[in-house]
Amino acid sequence: GNSVTQMEGPVTLSEEAFLTINCTYTATGYPSLFWYVQYPGEGLQLLLKATKADDKGSNKGFEATYRKETTSFHLEKGSVQVSDSAVYFCALRDLYNFNKFYFGSGTKLNVKP
Amino acid sequence: SQTIHQWPATLVQPVGSPLSLECTVEGTSNPNLYWYRQAAGRGLQLLFYSVGIGQISSEVPQNLSASRPQDRQFILSSKKLLLSDSGFYLCAWSVGEPWGTIYFGEGSWLTVV
Repeated sequence: GNSVTQMEGPVTLSEEAFLTINCTYTATGYPSLFWYVQYPGEGLQLLLKATKADDKGSNKGFEATYRKETTSFHLEKGSVQVSDSAVYFCALRDLYNFNKFYFGSGTKLNVKP
Repeated sequence: SQTIHQWPATLVQPVGSPLSLECTVEGTSNPNLYWYRQAAGRGLQLLFYSVGIGQISSEVPQNLSASRPQDRQFILSSKKLLLSDSGFYLCAWSVGEPWGTIYFGEGSWLTVV
């Protein structure tokens, strides 16, 4: 079956540090992959996505590359800010039952000034 | 552009009381609609999804039900709330195609006391 696995949090970084949040998936075929961000008390917002292998999604300085060889979609940012503190969710859309999305458990990021 | 709204944003209900959360989507036709629950500090749990009026798929048997009386309206209900129903409820929508994105509402905080 489909599943998404994210690294455990919380992740605590100093401002301007490099960020990596690992995400690996299990799925049939090559589903669309997503990163969402959730700020305290709010719904999830789409951060970036990739719809096929080797695609790179990017937005607001965040990047993630769809790696079919390692079934991974790691989120990276070169220099984090305090305002990036949030919970980040990796997700995939089932390619064959595309009414269903699968989410990781979320990784909380704390950025200190 | 498409927008999604859900309400109420916050509610405190006694055990055994009924529940009704409502969600509407604007700017699109025949969307897939979803209800998720997020317990405090946890990931997302898919409760229900719907691909059309009157069509409801239940993912987890529990004390809740969902209805879709109109194309862009999705309602989450309970006849008698339990303490374990407390959480953050998120409505979401997507288009019915394999590469589409899922978009979330602002969320509703439910505390059962």
